[in-house]
Amino acid sequence: AQTVTQSQPEMSVQEAETVTLSCTYDTSENNYYLFWYKQPPSRQMILVIRQEAYKQQNATENRFSVNFQKAAKSFSLKISDSQLGDTAMYFCAFMKHEGRDDKIIFGKGTRLHILP
Amino acid sequence: DAGVIQSPRHEVTEMGQEVTLRCKPISGHDYLFWYRQTMMRGLELLIYFNNNVPIDDSGMPEDRFSAKMPNASFSTLKIQPSEPRDSAVYFCASSDIKRGAYNEQFFGPGTRLTVL
Repeated sequence: AQTVTQSQPEMSVQEAETVTLSCTYDTSENNYYLFWYKQPPSRQMILVIRQEAYKQQNATENRFSVNFQKAAKSFSLKISDSQLGDTAMYFCAFMKHEGRDDKIIFGKGTRLHILP
Repeated sequence: DAGVIQSPRHEVTEMGQEVTLRCKPISGHDYLFWYRQTMMRGLELLIYFNNNVPIDDSGMPEDRFSAKMPNASFSTLKIQPSEPRDSAVYFCASSDIKRGAYNEQFFGPGTRLTVL
């Protein structure tokens, strides 16, 4: 069974700083997707960034980028020039690429506080 | 598109009462997921449907929980009888597997359930 581990329950950084959120996962699959979801105080779950395991290039979305290390089964999220609106719970998630199993496995989350 | 719609947004009920949560997925999406979020257990997948058919209900905690999807545009999650430990935020999400690649799940705003 797949598992997703986020080792940092809570983090705080000053506005405009760069912050990295850690995520490791365990799977025997070779093809899969990895995601980072953001959940602000409004509770709405928002997809931040996605990565296909077969792609070596790290995904980037504006200020958000990932460091995907397939061999190490590591998938960290870097937020550059952090903004107050980045304050949220961040979930790392895994999904198999093939078959009918479309389940996403979520980590427990990291609560990120951006301080003014 | 209006996104995934859930109702009610908040529900307060007394132990033993029946609770029905409702979800309208994004039009055209053929997968629908029900999640439960608590501080202790994080985000848990309860059940998901493909083309209105339940595919995996292994996350449903007890027989008190049931879910239906009578058509492509509506699903319900029912708890009967409710217990205080059912208090949580319940999310509905939908996705469009036909789009291939990313299989992104779009989440609704959630229903905060409080059982007294």
